[in-house]
Amino acid sequence: QKEVEQDPGPLSVPEGAIVSLNCTYSNSAFQYFMWYRQYSRKGPELLMYTYSSGNKEDGRFTAQVDKSSKYISLFIRDSQPSDSATYLCAMSLLGGYNKLIFGAGTRLAVHP
Amino acid sequence: ETGVTQTPRHLVMGMTNKKSLKCEQHLGHNAMYWYKQSAKKPLELMFVYSLEERVENNSVPSRFSPECPNSSHLFLHLHTLQPEDSALYLCASSVAGRGTDTQYFGPGTRLTVL
Repeated sequence: QKEVEQDPGPLSVPEGAIVSLNCTYSNSAFQYFMWYRQYSRKGPELLMYTYSSGNKEDGRFTAQVDKSSKYISLFIRDSQPSDSATYLCAMSLLGGYNKLIFGAGTRLAVHP
Repeated sequence: ETGVTQTPRHLVMGMTNKKSLKCEQHLGHNAMYWYKQSAKKPLELMFVYSLEERVENNSVPSRFSPECPNSSHLFLHLHTLQPEDSALYLCASSVAGRGTDTQYFGPGTRLTVL
């Protein structure tokens, strides 16, 4: 079983839709949860970061963590064509040199 | 220059060539990482340097050889690669010793091995 599972998509939605991206994980010791966005031909860039169960909102983006179910989500409201990218979830343990375990990434296309 | 830079951005090499990838971070971080990104696979951590000491080597073949001369620079020396080594190689940096700090990535080097 992979430590982090993420549906690779692709996911295609119309502009303005609400997008839900999800990851499940198997290691209950993970404490920190991140979402990265990666545009074509670019490196991943950090979108959201959280360490507790519950929701964290930043503009059109909401990160949700459910540690009891080992499940994290990223919601994008009012999706725009500029949101078209691959979204990677990542998680790490407490302390250490910050080893991140990544999901495979979900490719999202928002069409006008 | 800001953030994390990588050179070259694209590299095509034969199986008998020797080449090096370079990474430089301008963020004042003291941990640096090499990742391999292949199509439809998760990012694979290859090497980690923390405070200029290698702290992780994830069973990477010896044809990949990292070098970290100081906390701002990281190299990946390549020799006698295989076609399956073709991938995007990403460098990242962070603050060492603090699990809460996230990693910042460079744009990557797209490597093609013929």
